[in-house]
Amino acid sequence: EADIYQTPRYLVIGTGKKITLECSQTMGHDKMYWYQQDPGMELHLIHYSYGVNSTEKGDLSSESTVSRIRTEHFPLTLESARPSHTSQYLCASSFGTSGMVWETQYFGPGTRLLVL
Amino acid sequence: AQKVTQAQTEISVVEKEDVTLDCVYETRDTTYYLFWYKQPPSGELVFLIRRNSFDEQNEISGRYSWNFQKSTSSFNFTITASQVVDSAVYFCALSAHSGGGADGLTFGKGTHLIIQP
Repeated sequence: EADIYQTPRYLVIGTGKKITLECSQTMGHDKMYWYQQDPGMELHLIHYSYGVNSTEKGDLSSESTVSRIRTEHFPLTLESARPSHTSQYLCASSFGTSGMVWETQYFGPGTRLLVL
Repeated sequence: AQKVTQAQTEISVVEKEDVTLDCVYETRDTTYYLFWYKQPPSGELVFLIRRNSFDEQNEISGRYSWNFQKSTSSFNFTITASQVVDSAVYFCALSAHSGGGADGLTFGKGTHLIIQP
């Protein structure tokens, strides 16, 4: 069973607020990811990291930013939330480094964000 | 470019029936990996299986089985004697080197499986 945690699980917030979604893993994985999933839709990669001080943008453009100061922690921040940001955000992690595509990604429980 | 197609948006069966979820993929790579994940209503993604492109052996795990056919670029998932607890959205995903630069998974749109008692 994967040890990857996300908080909060649910967040309702007003437009213009700054929010940070937390993601932590205790498996010592180097690679971490953020996916965005709209209701009833597939997941799209928005950010990933190969390790400390590494952050990259994913396939889907996102106004969010990420940081990786510690191996186990990969928070996602929205400086000014808008209704278009309403979605589920899933964090994942895996062993391995850049170019290793065979490692299984383990997912956290997700954060469901509603921006009013 | 990579693509995963799950043509079945929703499947509804009665408990104890067998059900097969289809997955067709596209990639230019010769080395790639395929995955199935289960997403129950609680929202998390649960890893079910990983298969590499060089291993075409079918796999069985309890009531679950997977049929990988490179000739048709398919990686189908069968649940035998379905149970209500199998109700979830199931995602097929692909990972390959030429994934457009980002090292994430390419997901299909998912199949919502409903098992009726």
